Amino acid sequence: AQSVTQLGSHVSVSEGALVLLRCNYSSSVPPYLFWYVQYPNQGLQLLLKYTTGATLVKGINGFEAEFKKSETSFHLTKPSAHMSDAAEYFCAVSLIKAAGNKLTFGGGTRVLVKP
Amino acid sequence: NAGVMQNPRHLVRRRGQEARLRCSPMKGHSHVYWYRQLPEEGLKFMVYLQKENIIDESGMPKERFSAEFPKEGPSILRIQQVVRGDSAAYFCASSPLGGSGTGELFFGEGSRLTVL
Repeated sequence: AQSVTQLGSHVSVSEGALVLLRCNYSSSVPPYLFWYVQYPNQGLQLLLKYTTGATLVKGINGFEAEFKKSETSFHLTKPSAHMSDAAEYFCAVSLIKAAGNKLTFGGGTRVLVKP
Repeated sequence: NAGVMQNPRHLVRRRGQEARLRCSPMKGHSHVYWYRQLPEEGLKFMVYLQKENIIDESGMPKERFSAEFPKEGPSILRIQQVVRGDSAAYFCASSPLGGSGTGELFFGEGSRLTVL
């Protein structure tokens, strides 16, 4: 079975500062990895995903993440935070299975951006 | 709107009543997933369905919860005899593919159930 751990349920950053959200996974086989963002009272929107190939993945809104197999990590970064980045971020993992795209989510990290 | 449609967006029920949540997947998608998000928690998988079939219900509570995805019409998540602990946001997601695990899920905006 796979699992996802997000370190830090809340992160506070200043506008213009680096955003770093940590995600570690546990999986018996190479996983597929995702970051989703959830704005208040809305559904989840895909930021980026890693399946195969290049380990540095670029997503929407200036976010990127790097898959590090040796560290079982998939941390999300953005060089310069914007007020609109205030939201909750979820890391998720899925495996090659016969049935579907079932995702296992981490507990989420809520980002607060200070002016 | 071609996205995943969920209704109602907000539902209030008293203890013991039934809640029915509906989900229409994106056009062209035949795979539906239900997730539950409890306050201050992440999303927990409940059930995965294809048309007329439950593929994986490993996250469904054993009692009071059921799901269906009929040949015609939306997927329904049904909660009988609701209790306060059922208060949560219920998200539906869909995908066009089943089998590879490489694709993302497309989420609706959720149905927020409050049990009084």
